[in-house]
Amino acid sequence: EAGVTQSPTHLIKTRGQQATLRCSPISGHTSVYWYQQALGLGLQFLLWYDEGEERNRGNFPPRFSGRQFPNYSSELNVNALELEDSALYLCASSLDGGKETQYFGPGTRLLVL
Amino acid sequence: AQTVTQSQPEMSVQEAETVTLSCTYDTSESDYYLFWYKQPPSRQMILVIRQEAYKQQNATENRFSVNFQKAAKSFSLKISDSQLGDAAMYFCAYRTTSGSRLTFGEGTQLTVNP
Repeated sequence: EAGVTQSPTHLIKTRGQQATLRCSPISGHTSVYWYQQALGLGLQFLLWYDEGEERNRGNFPPRFSGRQFPNYSSELNVNALELEDSALYLCASSLDGGKETQYFGPGTRLLVL
Repeated sequence: AQTVTQSQPEMSVQEAETVTLSCTYDTSESDYYLFWYKQPPSRQMILVIRQEAYKQQNATENRFSVNFQKAAKSFSLKISDSQLGDAAMYFCAYRTTSGSRLTFGEGTQLTVNP
């Protein structure tokens, strides 16, 4: 069974640009979560999508947004990139948003120059 | 707000020996989930073990076991017969039963010496 996949593996952008990160959950999983792992800041929860809806949001500005598609894959968009957005962005999926364990993808490393 | 604390930024162990990683958390909830994830140099987060707070029995997965002390809000991970492949950053994480987000500790970097 395929795990969570993310693309691209690496992304280089300049300040002010937009970045789009993609995630495909494990087959059968309906919930997708996004986390940011920035140097010195640890792992921070960004967003949770379930059944196509945004269910919860972490303490991030509105320029971090995303969506979930009918096939449960998800996109994370970061607008007006800032240098401090440089981080590893991890996607996780679970069977549902309640009691099920989250399984992580390999991450997308975003570098903002 | 829930917080998770890992007080050991770095730990090392000899191959085949046993090591224990510490984790404490703060919550007002009575039911929740606790996890240990490992993150090797590849950066992929891998689930090691999961514990439901309502279960008194400590979870075990092969060489990995936990010591869950609910009253003390402590959740340590014991790795027995350490192997070189166990070298990684280990994160303790918490989640409520009704919530979605995982709250992570700062991580403990484990080195396994041959």
